[in-house]
Amino acid sequence: QKEVEQDPGPLSVPEGAIVSLNCTYSNSAFQYFMWYRQYSRKGPELLMYTYSSGNKEDGRFTAQVDKSSKYISLFIRDSQPSDSATYLCGNFGNEKLTFGTGTRLTIIP
Amino acid sequence: DVKVTQSSRYLVKRTGEKVFLECVQDMDHENMFWYRQDPGLGLRLIYFSYDVKMKEKGDIPEGYSVSREKKERFSLILESASTNQTSMYLCASSLDGEINTQYFGPGTRLTVL
Repeated sequence: QKEVEQDPGPLSVPEGAIVSLNCTYSNSAFQYFMWYRQYSRKGPELLMYTYSSGNKEDGRFTAQVDKSSKYISLFIRDSQPSDSATYLCGNFGNEKLTFGTGTRLTIIP
Repeated sequence: DVKVTQSSRYLVKRTGEKVFLECVQDMDHENMFWYRQDPGLGLRLIYFSYDVKMKEKGDIPEGYSVSREKKERFSLILESASTNQTSMYLCASSLDGEINTQYFGPGTRLTVL
């Protein structure tokens, strides 16, 4: 079993829709939970991270962590074509950052 | 502005060649990392370094070595390239104590023929 599981998609939604991206993890040692965004032919960039269970909001983006079920989510409100990218969840614990495989998202104008 | 640069965007090499991938960061970060990214497998850690002349194996170090002679530069070496090392290689850096916040370079797409 992989330490971090993420549906690879691809996921296509119309502009303006709410997008939900999800990951599950198996390692209870994970302390930080991150979302990275990767545009085509670019390196990943950190979108947001959270330490505890609950929600963290940054503009149109909300990261949600449920440690009891080992489930993390990223919600994008009012999605824009510029949000089209691959989104990778990342979990940090035991001095190591472990990534999911990434979900490829396309926002259709 | 934070910047991580990689020496090449695209590289084509032949089986058996020695390959050097260079990474430079200008943020005075202590930590540097090399990953490879493959479809369906995501990002996998090859090697990392916490300080100059220090190196630690990641999850898939076989067939690779690294060198960190200066704080800003971290090199990945493929001693004898093989076709299964065809991949996207990504370098990243972070401050000491902030491994969760890594800054990535643009990547090098390596093809081994």
